Amino acid sequence: EDKVVQSPLSLVVHEGDTVTLNCSYEVTNFRSLLWYKQEKKAPTFLFMLTSSGIEKKSGRLSSILDKKELSSILNITATQTGDSAIYLCAVAANTGNQFYFGTGTSLTVIP
Amino acid sequence: DAGVTQSPTHLIKTRGQQVTLRCSPISGHKSVSWYQQVLGQGPQFIFQYYEKEERGRGNFPDRFSARQFPNYSSELNVNALLLGDSALYLCASSSGTGTYGYTFGSGTRLTVV
Repeated sequence: EDKVVQSPLSLVVHEGDTVTLNCSYEVTNFRSLLWYKQEKKAPTFLFMLTSSGIEKKSGRLSSILDKKELSSILNITATQTGDSAIYLCAVAANTGNQFYFGTGTSLTVIP
Repeated sequence: DAGVTQSPTHLIKTRGQQVTLRCSPISGHKSVSWYQQVLGQGPQFIFQYYEKEERGRGNFPDRFSARQFPNYSSELNVNALLLGDSALYLCASSSGTGTYGYTFGSGTRLTVV
């Protein structure tokens, strides 16, 4: 059965801290891994990763895929209260038309 | 350009009732996908429609059905509601089949009492 597992489930940090969120997957015919940020309702796209070892960066956020270990990490440096959200990891396969989502990591940044 | 719009935003229904949720995709997008997100869980795939045809179905009972109209908008119907159907229902649109270029709507929060 295809599955995506995220850890930790929740995290509370202080502003300025650096956090690392983890995602591991077992999905047949892997094509890509995506990270989303969900603040209230609509998940918003952060990164799409298809190649192992290539880091994607956007401001204080970065992510990297390890296809050998079937995993990805999302790093957030110098966290701000606006980073408080649920971070979802989703995996797409070459076959089928769906994403397999993890349960998400709930991040709370305290001032 | 408007994003993906879903209606209603909130809904309260009684067990056994039927509900219809609506989704309008981004202009030019021909594919609509539906996901169910139960509190504390990640979204689970329900359906994908492309050019009015079903292109994918998740592991949901037959009480769940959907359709897509000529203008590419979509409806998700759930019959004989159960308490466990309480969730955020997300719609995503994309220009083609598969999972490229997904944009999610803000969802419909369904509460079954």
